[in-house]
Amino acid sequence: DADVTQTPRNRITKTGKRIMLECSQTKGHDRMYWYRQDPGLGLRLIYYSFDVKDINKGEISDGYSVSRQAQAKFSLSLESAIPNQTALYFCATRSPNNEQFFGPGTRLTVL
Amino acid sequence: AQSVTQPDIHITVSEGASLELRCNYSYGATPYLFWYVQSPGQGLQLLLKYFSGDTLVQGIKGFEAEFKRSQSSFNLRKPSVHWSDAAEYFCAVDDAGGTSYGKLTFGQGTILTVHP
Repeated sequence: DADVTQTPRNRITKTGKRIMLECSQTKGHDRMYWYRQDPGLGLRLIYYSFDVKDINKGEISDGYSVSRQAQAKFSLSLESAIPNQTALYFCATRSPNNEQFFGPGTRLTVL
Repeated sequence: AQSVTQPDIHITVSEGASLELRCNYSYGATPYLFWYVQSPGQGLQLLLKYFSGDTLVQGIKGFEAEFKRSQSSFNLRKPSVHWSDAAEYFCAVDDAGGTSYGKLTFGQGTILTVHP
């Protein structure tokens, strides 16, 4: 089984809808991250969390919110989706020896 | 703020040829540097990393990278490319060397095409 899982893997939604992307990990890592990937821009950090009580904004947090329900779960929400949030979204964890482990990604399309 | 530049958006090589993908970074402290590979429709896989010590690091799949502090570079190399190496490659810098927040900053990516 994968150590970092994301659901759903693909999602198509309409402008204005609320969307939640979920991430779960079995690696036991405290630190978790959400990134988005756009062609030609690489990955950019949306939010990160050091533990269930710690949430921090990343480079591009506007229009997004997160929830750290437990050490193993970190969810990303789009309160009112817009077309320019169409992207590939990755969740990641960070080990104590400074390696990040990525989930398989969620492809989100906002029409 | 830290930044990473991958000057080559797209590189095409023939199978069996050597490969070098360029990466330049900007970071005030000693950087933690990474190369990731993303195959089509897949997530990111770590190829190799540099934290300290020997500036030539070996990774998986026959890749290596050399850290050159004077040039702020961390170029990825492979002596003989295989068709299965066709993918997108990302260089990334981690700020853990400074603030310990552990945020990765990625380059724009380089798409590698391999001709038979």
